[in-house]
Amino acid sequence: ETGVTQTPRHLVMGMTNKKSLKCEQHLGHNAMYWYKQSAKKPLELMFVYSLEERVENNSVPSRFSPECPNSSHLFLHLHTLQPEDSALYLCASSQEAGGPAEAFFGQGTRLTVV
Amino acid sequence: KNQVEQSPQSLIILEGKNCTLQCNYTVSPFSNLRWYKQDTGRGPVSLTIMTFSENTKSNGRYTATLDADTKQSSLHITASQLSDSASYICVVGGRGGGSYIPTFGRGTSLIVHP
Repeated sequence: ETGVTQTPRHLVMGMTNKKSLKCEQHLGHNAMYWYKQSAKKPLELMFVYSLEERVENNSVPSRFSPECPNSSHLFLHLHTLQPEDSALYLCASSQEAGGPAEAFFGQGTRLTVV
Repeated sequence: KNQVEQSPQSLIILEGKNCTLQCNYTVSPFSNLRWYKQDTGRGPVSLTIMTFSENTKSNGRYTATLDADTKQSSLHITASQLSDSASYICVVGGRGGGSYIPTFGRGTSLIVHP
């Protein structure tokens, strides 16, 4: 285990549903990230949080809404998604957002939008 | 534009054999290079991290090399095992506007047959 836990592991949702992905880390890290991994594509960085403040938003559609209530928890709220949003969503954490320290990844949530 | 190209896209080898995976990058300015192993349906796990001044780093049967002049890296796997079957992702970290920006390769899918 990497110390980063994501729930749920699998999620199937309709295009009109609202759901949330959860990520939790107890590594004492100050930075947390959301990544999207689609089939046959490189990992795409979505959001970066440093000390609970969003420091990066890579032109992600507003139907994805992140929330970081504290340095140990990160959420990704989903609403009115499209089938092309089906992917593996990975959470990661690292000691700091601005440095090259190793990032630890969670197991991911496999999302299917129907 | 920062890019990371990995080759081959996929590789099949017999258990016990050695193999080498390649990573070429155009990220600038360069900060570090990491190799991750990602088992199917799971999050990536770090294998090695190398900075500009390092040209080789080992982690058990995994040895990574870095040539910062030619902007190439390789990951050599010795005496492969069935558990080595996974996707291997090269991630090159750059710096832009004071922020650390990782660029991900598409990965090499390795299958080890008994």
